[in-house]
Amino acid sequence: DSGVTQTPKHLITATGQRVTLRCSPRSGDLSVYWYQQSLDQGLQFLIQYYNGEERAKGNILERFSAQQFPDLHSELNLSSLELGDSALYFCASSVYGGRQETQYFGPGTRLLVL
Amino acid sequence: DQQVKQNSPSLSVQEGRISILNCDYTNSMFDYFLWYKKYPAEGPTFLISISSIKDKNEDGRFTVFLNKSAKHLSLHIVPSQPGDSAVYFCAASARGGGATNKLIFGTGTLLAVQP
Repeated sequence: DSGVTQTPKHLITATGQRVTLRCSPRSGDLSVYWYQQSLDQGLQFLIQYYNGEERAKGNILERFSAQQFPDLHSELNLSSLELGDSALYFCASSVYGGRQETQYFGPGTRLLVL
Repeated sequence: DQQVKQNSPSLSVQEGRISILNCDYTNSMFDYFLWYKKYPAEGPTFLISISSIKDKNEDGRFTVFLNKSAKHLSLHIVPSQPGDSAVYFCAASARGGGATNKLIFGTGTLLAVQP
């Protein structure tokens, strides 16, 4: 158990809908990362937050947004969902989000868009 | 453009023998490398890391070797155990580009350890 929690574990929804994925980092970690793993791609970095502020963006679609709250939990919002958004979404955390820090991953949320 | 490559999609090894998983990278700015293990329906679990200032790091049965000139790293597992059967991901992060620590992952190698 990494100490990173994610809810829900599974999510099934329809195209055009909007969903929210939730992540709580390990106790003491200030930085949260979101990654997407789809069937034809490896783990792809989406976005990073540190202590409530966005620190880095990766290949995140404009239909997706995220935020980190004062209690340090983070939410990833996916809107206008398409079939291709079906994937595993992982959250990871690290202490400061700085250079050469190990990231610890949560169990993931499996999203299926029908 | 795949900056981190794991060219072997799968590997089968006998219990007790050595497992060697390989990873190649193209970005010379990468200076920190990690290996993660992933079981089905679980998140990646951190195994071991290495900074580019080193060429070897050991932790129990796991050793990571880094060859910067060849842009190649490998994970050795000795002795291999059936519980090691999982997908192994190589990941890297780059210096420069601000204070971010985003990881670039390889596509993974499925290791099967036969009893």
